[in-house]
Amino acid sequence: GGIITQTPKFLIGQEGQKLTLKCQQNFNHDTMYWYRQDSGKGLRLIYYSITENDLQKGDLSEGYDASREKKSSFSLTVTSAQKNEMAVFLCASSPKGNERLFFGHGTKLSVL
Amino acid sequence: GDSVTQTEGLVTVTEGLPVMLNCTYQTAYSDVAFFWYVQYLNEAPKLLLRSSTDNKRTEHQGFHATLHKSSSSFHLQKSSVQLSDSALYYCALRASSSFSKLVFGQGTSLSVVP
Repeated sequence: GGIITQTPKFLIGQEGQKLTLKCQQNFNHDTMYWYRQDSGKGLRLIYYSITENDLQKGDLSEGYDASREKKSSFSLTVTSAQKNEMAVFLCASSPKGNERLFFGHGTKLSVL
Repeated sequence: GDSVTQTEGLVTVTEGLPVMLNCTYQTAYSDVAFFWYVQYLNEAPKLLLRSSTDNKRTEHQGFHATLHKSSSSFHLQKSSVQLSDSALYYCALRASSSFSKLVFGQGTSLSVVP
């Protein structure tokens, strides 16, 4: 088995601040994802990466940047945190050619 | 674009009774796969069910779902719920336009009460 580790678990930022969330997986999966989880809105795809150095925009990419530094890690940057923003960011991975996603426990973001 | 709709935000059911969580979808593609993911409190979402075959029942952990392309639905059912089934349930669609990309519904919170 493997595990997806997201850091930090909780992130408190200031309005306008640039914030970075990190994700590591030891499944040796090719594809990694960042989803945003909001109550009543489900899971919305921000960015995904099919392989190392690849980057694909999801439906919610505006206001975010991502970086696939190596096969095992995928970072997400909130380029300018919005006041009163509150959401959970979920990282996931899947093997090549397999639709099944394995999720991390999430990073909970609060912006003051 | 592809979309998944879960109409109920919260479903409350008494322990031992049946439950059905609704999931409908819209897609222009015929080559599709559907998923139910479950997220227990303070845990990561995990796969519960998957199906890509029309009119075939899929079962796991006492839950079952049948893909009905004629009605664009993939409802999740259980005949007798337990307290431990309380969780957030997401329906998701993978269309052939992008093998890697899943589209999720809004999620339904299932609360099982004694």
